[in-house]
Amino acid sequence: DSGVTQTPKHLITATGQRVTLRCSPRSGDLSVYWYQQSLDQGLQFLIQYYNGEERAKGNILERFSAQQFPDLHSELNLSSLELGDSALYFCASSRQGLGTEAFFGQGTRLTVV
Amino acid sequence: DAKTTQPPSMDCAEGRAANLPCNHSTISGNEYVYWYRQIHSQGPQYIIHGLKNNETNEMASLIITEDRKSSTLILPHATLRDTAVYYCIVRVGLGNFGNEKLTFGTGTRLTIIP
Repeated sequence: DSGVTQTPKHLITATGQRVTLRCSPRSGDLSVYWYQQSLDQGLQFLIQYYNGEERAKGNILERFSAQQFPDLHSELNLSSLELGDSALYFCASSRQGLGTEAFFGQGTRLTVV
Repeated sequence: DAKTTQPPSMDCAEGRAANLPCNHSTISGNEYVYWYRQIHSQGPQYIIHGLKNNETNEMASLIITEDRKSSTLILPHATLRDTAVYYCIVRVGLGNFGNEKLTFGTGTRLTIIP
């Protein structure tokens, strides 16, 4: 158990809909990272938040957004969903400091039908 | 972008040591070498990381060359449960704005053979 909790584990929704994925980081971790992994694809970095503020952006679509709340949990919002958005979405968290580890949750499997 | 090079696949006999190489010839002085693995669509699992000294934990050993341009992850007694994709990543870590994320390449698909 990495200490990073993601909910829900599975999500099935229709095209055009909007969903919210939730991530609770490890206790004490200020930074949250979101990744997308499509079928047989690598892990693509989407976005990072640190202590409530956006820190870095990767290949995140404009239809996607995220935020980190005062209690440090984070949500990834995916809207106007397309079939191609079907993927595993992982969240990771990390502490402050050089050479610190990042730990991943078990992911949310999103299926768009 | 990933700054590491790994072989795409490797096999190892169960019970033997698995040695996974990684080249990171452009590594900077403050970048650490991290190893993660992903077992069939599970979340990536942290294994070990190091800066320049060799490191060992309950899962593995990490050997970093003196010039830091390459490293080897060693799983001392591989089991079937070690079958996974192994990722070698260079990263500074939280605190260096812009270089904090883990950038995953394609990794090495390690298959442990009974």
